Amino acid sequence: QLVESGGGLVQPGGSLRLSCGASGFTFGSSWMSWFRQAPGKGLEWVASQKQDGTEKYYVDSMKDRLTISRDNAKNFLYLQLISLRTEDTAVYYCARPRAGFVRLFDLWGQGALVTVSS
Amino acid sequence: DVVMTQSPGSVSVSLGERATINCKSSQSVLYSVDNKNYLAWYQQKPGQPPKLLIYWASTREFGVPDRISGSGSGTDFTLTISSLQAEDVAVYYCQQYYNTPPTFGQGTKVEIK
Repeated sequence: QLVESGGGLVQPGGSLRLSCGASGFTFGSSWMSWFRQAPGKGLEWVASQKQDGTEKYYVDSMKDRLTISRDNAKNFLYLQLISLRTEDTAVYYCARPRAGFVRLFDLWGQGALVTVSS
Repeated sequence: DVVMTQSPGSVSVSLGERATINCKSSQSVLYSVDNKNYLAWYQQKPGQPPKLLIYWASTREFGVPDRISGSGSGTDFTLTISSLQAEDVAVYYCQQYYNTPPTFGQGTKVEIK
């Protein structure tokens, strides 16, 4: 399973680090990704990272404000967000691709709500 | 980026009746090397994360009932619920996994009439 944490209320311009703890599968063998979903809106891919951390991909609209990272020894995925804006308010999900895939996702966390407001 | 466009935005169907959702991609997601469509469907219920239903445009994930099916190729795809059940009330998303970034349709809400 995947369990996100670290969400909460943050002021515009602030920063936040989301965590995603993984269990029940070989975390170090999986690409991992982050998605977000604004209230009442659809799903948006945010970032992905290769198993060994050597490749990282970010959504163009946020790439200067995001850092994805992972600790394979601790089975954790992270997403650092900086210079947050009100439009970044969303539920942030971590997700694992189906075995043998990179961009097809069969395991999702329950999500962490990030609210950006003054 | 590949733009995914779903229609309709919402559909209201009586229990036991058929629900059909369409998804169109801005470019083909059929990969010529393996002749597979890199298209998936997800179901999302309120307060829950998405659940993978179908991949390769028509392959059901384990445990997905056979009343839910996918079809199509290239740029045009369809998700069909042949006999709507109460537990099928949800928002459904198509997603292309042909390239990065993976992109989703805007979602179709399925309700009971």
